[in-house]
Order: sequence, then C-alpha cells, then structure tokens
Amino acid sequence: EADIYQTPRYLVIGTGKKITLECSQTMGHDKMYWYQQDPGMELHLIHYSYGVNSTEKGDLSSESTVSRIRTEHFPLTLESARPSHTSQYLCASSEAGAGSNEQYFGPGTRLTVT
Amino acid sequence: QKEVEQNSGPLSVPEGAIASLNCTYSDRVSQSFFWYRQYSGKSPELIMSIYSNGDKEDGRFTAQLNKASQYVSLLIRDSQPSDSATYLCAVMMNYGGSQGNLIFGKGTKLSVKP
Repeated sequence: EADIYQTPRYLVIGTGKKITLECSQTMGHDKMYWYQQDPGMELHLIHYSYGVNSTEKGDLSSESTVSRIRTEHFPLTLESARPSHTSQYLCASSEAGAGSNEQYFGPGTRLTVT
Repeated sequence: QKEVEQNSGPLSVPEGAIASLNCTYSDRVSQSFFWYRQYSGKSPELIMSIYSNGDKEDGRFTAQLNKASQYVSLLIRDSQPSDSATYLCAVMMNYGGSQGNLIFGKGTKLSVKP
C-alpha cells in the first residue's frame, strides 16, 4: 500500500544529543518536504527536496539538516538538540509535475528536548 | 509577503447543519488550492483540491473558488461531530525558487455540536 512513514512517532531526548528523524514514502513521489508545527500553530516549511541530491531550505530558518540520497527517503538531522527544537515535525511528499502539487503527510514525529 | 488568511474560529455549528469555511489569498497568479483537515495531535489530511473557478463537490464537501476575488471556501453539508477538526487552506506558490511549494493558512477550528 502506498504510504508515507515517519519514525519515531514520539521522541524525548536530552539537550545536546544528535537525532535523526526518519521519513520514507512508497508513493513514488519525487518531491518531499519537512514542516514544523507547534501545538495550535500553523505549519512552517523548513526543508524541501525536488529529487535525489536536491535539498533546499524552506521559509522558516531551522538548525536542522536534510539529505536525499534515495528517492523514497528524506531524513532530517539535528546535530545538537535544544529545548527550542521541541515541536512536531511533519514529512510530506508530492508528485513531480508542475501541476497540482497535492501533498500527502506522514503521521509526524513529536519531539521533546529536555 | 504572500499570505493565506483564515478566520481562526472556533466555528461552532449544530449537527446536521452546513459549515462554511473561508480563505483568502494574496498571490493573484495562484492556480492550485487545497483544503486539509487536521484532527488534534494528528497530521493534516488532504480532503479537497480545486484548480478552476466554480464549485467542486466530493460527497458532503464542496470547494468553491473565485480567483477574481481571491477567495476559496469549503462547505461541509450535514455536519457530523466527527467533522470537528482544524481545517487548513493551502495555496500553491507561483514565484521565485519556491515555485510549487504550498503556503498554509493558520487554520479554522470547527466544532460540530451533537
């Protein structure tokens, strides 16, 4: 079944730790995105990729980094987690064409940095 | 700054009534528009996309687009308590290096009372 997966779903980690949030999709999509969303707040795009070896920063400045070595995989890494990184991180994907750009979201990772 | 505006609500309607959610956008050349539903603590779920002026119906949902007035709306007929969620309006960007990305509104919280 075509889907988009994120792991872990919940993560509580101490300040200074390095973390990687995983995102994989079996949708066959070329475009992938990372959004950050605080409770009750709007979505902010932090990274996106239009294909393998293509990554760009989004509208919201983030200390995280991403990589796109395989079409289906788009991990996000924080080298040194801080309490200000506490948030929900949402991964999404869409088809490559210039048309619709319907984005489909994974279940999200809720990150808490203590 | 390109923007998508929504009334944050909460919008409260009785069960069985029609819920009307509105969204305005500032980018006059936008061509693609989306409505997402987000339950509390969950990720956004695409429920409607619309690209042409007029109405588009899908079950109990109708999206309406008026490009001249730069607004898009979502009507939910026969509202059910299970429709209680935050509804996000998203508009595809058509400028600069971020062309093809979505701008999300802050969302309207809908509450359907039994």
